Amino acid sequence: DQQVKQNSPSLSVQEGRISILNCDYTNSMFDYFLWYKKYPAEGPTFLISISSIKDKNEDGRFTVFLNKSAKHLSLHIVPSQPGDSAVYFCAAMSDYKLSFGAGTTVTVRA
Amino acid sequence: NAGVTQTPKFQVLKTGQSMTLQCAQDMNHNSMYWYRQDPGMGLRLIYYSASEGTTDKGEVPNGYNVSRLNKREFSLRLESAAPSQTSVYFCASSDLRNQPQHFGDGTRLSIL
Repeated sequence: DQQVKQNSPSLSVQEGRISILNCDYTNSMFDYFLWYKKYPAEGPTFLISISSIKDKNEDGRFTVFLNKSAKHLSLHIVPSQPGDSAVYFCAAMSDYKLSFGAGTTVTVRA
Repeated sequence: NAGVTQTPKFQVLKTGQSMTLQCAQDMNHNSMYWYRQDPGMGLRLIYYSASEGTTDKGEVPNGYNVSRLNKREFSLRLESAAPSQTSVYFCASSDLRNQPQHFGDGTRLSIL
């Protein structure tokens, strides 16, 4: 049973516009949430995280929002750049262990 | 600035052969992890080691064994490889609980 779900397998966005990636989870024991970015033939790279005691965390062009009551988090990328084209994984942590979503492939069009 | 190093990068095995995947980290992290990634799926935890001297099962441990050799190294062993174990394997490490995990570049394993 998948505890972390990314329901959009792909997202296409024009360069300079906002990318919004969504993630839903079912386990209320998750207390730390992360987004990873992955290029082909490389390992996932940590992007941004948020603790369950917060509802927003911002780092440059990347902002993560957490809605605990809805068990939903989102990643906003503003403005989107060609180098942002990659697979983005949402992950949630409980007791050292990470559960991952299936990923969203983002394509930034020139 | 190596971070997490996995060897080998690619391997082809025949069904029934055994294989050990190696992982080493140079960040002095306490916790280490092994994941597998299959097409259309996220990474799934196979085994993890919260600290040196301890190992625990993750979501998909069947068919695998692990050894935390020391603080730096965490190996994953397939005793009798099966085609269902064809996958990309990632090793990761982290410092403390609720800290990001840092990943290696993966081992692409094919079992015929």
